[in-house]
Amino acid sequence: AQSVTQLGSHVSVSEGALVLLRCNYSSSVPPYLFWYVQYPNQGLQLLLKYTTGATLVKGINGFEAEFNKSQTSFHLRKPSVHISDTAEYFCAVSDLYNQGGKLIFGQGTELSVKP
Amino acid sequence: DTEVTQTPKHLVMGMTNKKSLKCEQHMGHRAMYWYKQKAKKPPELMFVYSYEKLSINESVPSRFSPECPNSSLLNLHLHALQPEDSALYLCASSQDRVRGGPYEQYFGPGTRLTVT
Repeated sequence: AQSVTQLGSHVSVSEGALVLLRCNYSSSVPPYLFWYVQYPNQGLQLLLKYTTGATLVKGINGFEAEFNKSQTSFHLRKPSVHISDTAEYFCAVSDLYNQGGKLIFGQGTELSVKP
Repeated sequence: DTEVTQTPKHLVMGMTNKKSLKCEQHMGHRAMYWYKQKAKKPPELMFVYSYEKLSINESVPSRFSPECPNSSLLNLHLHALQPEDSALYLCASSQDRVRGGPYEQYFGPGTRLTVT
């Protein structure tokens, strides 16, 4: 069965700093990987996705993630965060062959960006 | 347009009430989803509709009744809910699930439900 682990339920950084949010997955077949962001009192917004091909994926709002097959990781990073990046971040995995393409979410990482 | 809309934004209901949540998308997506999300937790899948047919029911209690009147609309009918059902209810949609993926899901803003 697929699973997702996000290391660190809460990350706090200063504005302008580099942030790295960690995500490890388990999947018996090549996965599709996603990062979603949820701002307070809002729904989830897709930041980026990995399907096949280039392992470095660029998303919206300056975020990027790197797929590492050997380490089964899909860490999210942003070189210089802004206060407006304060939100909950969810890593998710799916594949077509298991569970009908359902999204399996990690537990989330709350990012706090301080001035 | 990648917008999924949900109404109402907030809902307070008693345990004997009947109410409905509504979700709409105009992206031509043929898969639609209902999720329940508790505070500080990831969304939990409740139902999936594919081509207006219920394809996944994650063992949700019968007091939640989904309905997909057409390819753009998804409803969630609520009856005799319990206080523990208070949560954020999210709707999502994605392209055709049958033809392969990955088809990312687009989420609506949610309905904040409080059961008193």
